[in-house]
Amino acid sequence: DIQMTQSPSSLSASVGDRVTFTCRASQGINNYLAWYQQRPGKVPNLLIYAASTLRSGVPSRFSGSGSGTDFTLTISSLQPEDVATYYCQKYDSAPITFGQGTRLEIK
Amino acid sequence: QVQLVQSGTEVKKPGASVKVSCKASGYTFSSYAINWVRQAPGQGLEWMGWISGYNGNTNYAQKFQGRVTMTTDTSTSTAYMELRSLGSDDTAEYYCARSFYNSGGGWFDPWGQGTLVTVSS
Repeated sequence: DIQMTQSPSSLSASVGDRVTFTCRASQGINNYLAWYQQRPGKVPNLLIYAASTLRSGVPSRFSGSGSGTDFTLTISSLQPEDVATYYCQKYDSAPITFGQGTRLEIK
Repeated sequence: QVQLVQSGTEVKKPGASVKVSCKASGYTFSSYAINWVRQAPGQGLEWMGWISGYNGNTNYAQKFQGRVTMTTDTSTSTAYMELRSLGSDDTAEYYCARSFYNSGGGWFDPWGQGTLVTVSS
């Protein structure tokens, strides 16, 4: 099975900072990669699919890039409401797998 | 709007079974698959499997093979997930989520609100 590894496991940054998360697949997955945001106590929400396509309604400060095995999620200017855990997911075929998540906090 | 509404909180004893429902609205149920994902307290997301809304074909994660059954009722646009032989490590929030492709793959959007299943003697 393909494993998804996220780094770092946690991150602390200041409002207005540029923040980058990394997700690595153990084998190539083309661009079959999604990113989810899960705020504390809430349901996961889709941010990005096909590695770089922003879901309608998601703020433009979020962006994704990558293909093959290495992917990134970037927040261009961190806002207080971005405090959450972020998960990557490979979805090309079964088994679907998620990364272990990156927890984002505000300094 | 597209919405998935799940059944309520469950408390079960070890060895029992639980069946969680997920009622879809706002889209053609047969055009998409439904996935089930669980999240133990303080832990990450774990995919359990999917079921096609079109033909009921399923694909279960190996970890749950033989212990999980996913079904649909197309007349009510409802998906079900039954998990048997519950243990304390099955205590988790269980989510249903629509996947983009009817065959099962694809990104998940939207998600149900979650169903908390607690296994305790």
